[in-house]
Amino acid sequence: QVQLQQSGAELAKPGASVKMSCKASGYTFTSYWMHWVKQRPGQGLEWIGYINPSTGYTEYNQKFKDKATLTADKSSSTAYMQLSSLTSEDSAVYYCARVGSSGYGDYWGQGTTLTVSS
Amino acid sequence: DIVLTQSPATLSVTPGDSVSLSCRASQSISNNLHWYQQKSHESPRLLIKYASQSISGIPSRFSGSGSGTDFTLSINSVETEDFGMYFCQQSNSWPRTFGGGTKLEIK
Repeated sequence: QVQLQQSGAELAKPGASVKMSCKASGYTFTSYWMHWVKQRPGQGLEWIGYINPSTGYTEYNQKFKDKATLTADKSSSTAYMQLSSLTSEDSAVYYCARVGSSGYGDYWGQGTTLTVSS
Repeated sequence: DIVLTQSPATLSVTPGDSVSLSCRASQSISNNLHWYQQKSHESPRLLIKYASQSISGIPSRFSGSGSGTDFTLSINSVETEDFGMYFCQQSNSWPRTFGGGTKLEIK
């Protein structure tokens, strides 16, 4: 069965960087794009960007272009997102979601909670 | 960016009621609109794809309609397990965007 297993909760200081992971199983990793979505407490969903694991091509929401860097390791079927220059505004739950060319997320990870605090 | 406006923000209903949730796009997105349910402390779950197409494993009481700029998610006879947040999302253009959500709560 398809599973997206995300890395554990992170506590980081303002100005630091974090890298979180999303390990895929149960399907061919390179056949689907991996999208990342942000959700602040009690808020809606924001699309950050996606990576095509087959080619490494990435596309970002302009809002996150200088904040997020998406990568993928085909050998381990794992997608990564690095967030830099952290501020309290980055405190949120971050989800990875499998998305085909169709454009909808049919499988989602359980989320990684990031807390930015000094 | 395409703005998706969901209404109402909160819907208070009694189990057994039938409800309609609205999602309006700032410009035409054809049928490139998808619906998700999110329960507290859980990940979003895909309910409806392409405005009206059903998803395997999702109860038949959930249905979607609409095209262009106006879309509706209908729940026929709400059950207690249906309470939570509902989001729409467009895949017509980049960046992908989500609506602000409708909270379905028990009256």
